[in-house]
Amino acid sequence: KAGVTQTPRYLIKTRGQQVTLSCSPISGHRSVSWYQQTPGQGLQFLFEYFSETQRNKGNFPGRFSGRQFSNSRSEMNVSTLELGDSALYLCASSLGPGLAGGPPHEQYFGPGTRLTVT
Amino acid sequence: GNSVTQMEGPVTLSEEAFLTINCTYTATGYPSLFWYVQYPGEGLQLLLKATKADDKGSNKGFEATYRKETTSFHLEKGSVQVSDSAVYFCALRGRNSGYSTLTFGKGTMLLVSP
Repeated sequence: KAGVTQTPRYLIKTRGQQVTLSCSPISGHRSVSWYQQTPGQGLQFLFEYFSETQRNKGNFPGRFSGRQFSNSRSEMNVSTLELGDSALYLCASSLGPGLAGGPPHEQYFGPGTRLTVT
Repeated sequence: GNSVTQMEGPVTLSEEAFLTINCTYTATGYPSLFWYVQYPGEGLQLLLKATKADDKGSNKGFEATYRKETTSFHLEKGSVQVSDSAVYFCALRGRNSGYSTLTFGKGTMLLVSP
């Protein structure tokens, strides 16, 4: 089974531009989560999608947005890029939320997209 | 809210040495606990997990036991190899009452020399 794929792997943008990152989950997985990884802040949760609906959102400004398509593929968009948005953006897929009150399904991570803002 | 604290690195060891990376957590209820590993230039790989108290997760010679009484999930390996050099992240995720997210520690870099 193919793993989580993310495109592009590397991206260089300038301040003020916008960017769209793509994530294809493992076949059969319906949940996609996005995380930002920086040396200073570590790994921070951005948002999670399940069945094309945003189910949870982290503490990021509205410039960060995402969506999920009917085939479970997801995109995230960052508008009006700032230097501080330079980071590794990781996507993770899972089967879904799991049974109520039970342990969650495991999340499997992609290789990430390295975004550099100059 | 949930939080994870793990020892700062880098941890520098010689090959075949014993490894311990400490991890403690704060969470309501009974979270699931995870260790992820990140090799240079790659994403995160799930190393092991435990979903309830006293569970022991193990994989590739690594082990960690879910200790509710001390809210800890320390990672251990009896004999490290150069190929184990990576960054290790402890993480937790709440039981399902909605869509709980993974909360990560800051990561601990492990450097193993021959």
